[in-house]
Amino acid sequence: SQQGEEDPQALSIQEGENATMNCSYKTSINNLQWYRQNSGRGLVHLILIRSNEREKHSGRLRVTLDTSKKSSSLLITASRAADTASYFCATDPNAGGTSYGKLTFGQGTILTVHP
Amino acid sequence: EAQVTQNPRYLITVTGKKLTVTCSQNMNHEYMSWYRQDPGLGLRQIYYSMNVEVTDKGDVPEGYKVSRKEKRNFPLILESPSPNQTSLYFCATAPGGPSYEQYFGPGTRLTVT
Repeated sequence: SQQGEEDPQALSIQEGENATMNCSYKTSINNLQWYRQNSGRGLVHLILIRSNEREKHSGRLRVTLDTSKKSSSLLITASRAADTASYFCATDPNAGGTSYGKLTFGQGTILTVHP
Repeated sequence: EAQVTQNPRYLITVTGKKLTVTCSQNMNHEYMSWYRQDPGLGLRQIYYSMNVEVTDKGDVPEGYKVSRKEKRNFPLILESPSPNQTSLYFCATAPGGPSYEQYFGPGTRLTVT
C-alpha cells in the first residue's frame, strides 16, 4: 500500500452529523496536510499539522496526528451539504530533518452529506 | 490576486503528437510540482521543482519532461503521448517546498486517443 492512505474510501452521512476520516502513512514525516476537492476541481488546502503537534483545530475541522501509529484523522463537526467533496491527506517524508521534496497524496475519502 | 493558471484546460490529442501543458504562478513561489489524478489512485506526483533550474522526479515521471527556466513557469511536456497518459493533471505551487500549503491550479483534462 502507498504512503498516505485514507479510510474509509466513501462516507455517507446526514446533515448535522460528524464525519471522521482517517489517514495512515508509512515513513517518518515533517508534517501532514489535509485537502478538499470538489468534483474534478483543484484541491484546496484545509489544515497542516506538524510532526510535533498532536491536535489542531480550524473552525469545524479537528485534525489529530499520532506519529507512533503513523496515522491522522480529520473530523468535520456538524456537517453541511456543502461539505460534500473528496478529502485527501498528503505527507511530506522526513529525510533526517529535511524534506526530500516529494509530497505524497492518498487515494482520498469521498464524503457525501445528505440534506 | 494570487493565481495558478494552467493551459489548456481541456485537450484531446492523438498518440505520439508532442504537447505541452503550461503552468504559471504569480506568487513568487520557489516550489512547483505536477500531479496526475486517476480514478481510484488519488494524486500521484510526476515531477517537482524546488527552484529555478532544479527539478526532480516524483513517483510517476515516465513519459514526461519538465523545465524550470523561470520562477513563475513550470511546463509539463509529453514528447510522445500515449493513451495511458489520459488523465486529469494538476500543477501546484508553494512558497518553500512540500512542507507548506500547496496552491493548486484548476486542472487540465487530457485525453489521448
